[in-house]
Formats: sequence, C-alpha cells, structure tokens
Amino acid sequence: QSALTQPASVSGSPGQSITISCTGTSSDIGGYDYVSWYQQHPGKAPKLILYEVTRRPSGVSNRFSGSKSGDTASLTISGLQAEDEADYHCSSYSSTSTLKVFGGGTKLTVL
Amino acid sequence: EVQLVESGGGLIQPGGSLRLSCAASGFTVRSNYMSWVRQAPGRGLEWVSVIYSDGGTYYADSVKGRFTISRDKSKNTLYLQMNTLRDEDTAVYYCARVELRYLDWIFDHWGQGTLVTVSS
Repeated sequence: QSALTQPASVSGSPGQSITISCTGTSSDIGGYDYVSWYQQHPGKAPKLILYEVTRRPSGVSNRFSGSKSGDTASLTISGLQAEDEADYHCSSYSSTSTLKVFGGGTKLTVL
Repeated sequence: EVQLVESGGGLIQPGGSLRLSCAASGFTVRSNYMSWVRQAPGRGLEWVSVIYSDGGTYYADSVKGRFTISRDKSKNTLYLQMNTLRDEDTAVYYCARVELRYLDWIFDHWGQGTLVTVSS
C-alpha cells in the first residue's frame, strides 16, 4: 500500500484536459511544496515532468501543470494527445523516517 | 548525454544475495547524489536507498539492515548489495541520478531497470 493515494485510472479524449489527484498527509504533501510527478510509458523508465509542485524541467511540454491544496496535489494535462497515454506517479518529501514517498500510480487512457 | 545502465538482476531464492550495478556515463557518480528506486509488478514506485556525494547513505525502512548502497569511483558505477532477500523484494530496480532541491530528492535521470525475482 502506497503512502500517497492516487486514482487507479483516468481517461480523456484527444484535446480535452484531465486532472490526476494525489493525496497525502501534513507530514508530506500538506507540509511542504516538494511534490514531483513522473510519467512512465509501458516497459520504460519513469521521466520527471514536474517538481516543486509547479516547476517543469527543460523540454517538458507546458501542457503539463501542477497545483496543490492542503494535503492534495494535482497534475493537469491539457490538450490531451495520444502520446500522453502512460502511467503517472506522484512523489513527495516526507518528514517521517520514510523520507521520500510515492503514490500507487495512475493509468491515463486517451480514448 | 547522461546514461545509466543497470545490470545484475535475476532469479534468486528467498534468503539469498544479489548485487546490482549501475554504470553511468555523461557525468561523475562520485560528485552526484544517486539513488535506487524499485517497482514491484503492477505496483507503484518505492524509494529504496540514496547515497550523497559526501558518502552519506539513507535507506527505506523495508530494506534497512539488508541492503547496502555503494559506488566505485574508478568504474563510475553505483551498486546495491541486497542480502537476506524476501519475496516482497521482487521488483524492477531502477538507478537514478538525484538532484537535491532544498529538502527533496528529484530523480532527474533514470536507467532502464533490472528485474529481480525472489522465488523458490
């Protein structure tokens, strides 16, 4: 059982926007702006797409955006494209002995 | 170009040992923070261990006392020595370069992973 809670799956049509939630506690998401998101295509390694809630690494599309409210962080993908179909994992710093926590991952299907 | 290539995975019986390697190119392992992250079949990611540039190490509670992270300067390679393996250690193990952002570890480059299967 993962420390952060994500929906198992979400779906959307090309051109639409979708949002994936990631819920933690005051020891991780709620207490710090250290949320990151990773995209993982089937059989591939994860790829960093957001860090510190809203920051995008160089080369990542501005269709990916992040936000946070209380103990829940969100990833929004706008203008959905077929290539966005992948698993998305959230992560956060944790002030507990765990230090770093992940969500269980969300499978995005582009219809 | 940054590249990370893991090796050393395989099938091992419960209680056994295995050493994973991660050969790096395009940067110096010794000068960076490096980490191992694993993913059990059909599950999410789980942080396993990190080694700082000053040699400091941290471990997830689930592997503390059984796994050891280390590096070889001459080979520019990261290692994970795994002892007393359990069924629940079955996973794809990824090595990743870490960027320290204030308190947080950002995994900015990943290898392709190596599968470890613990089963009798």
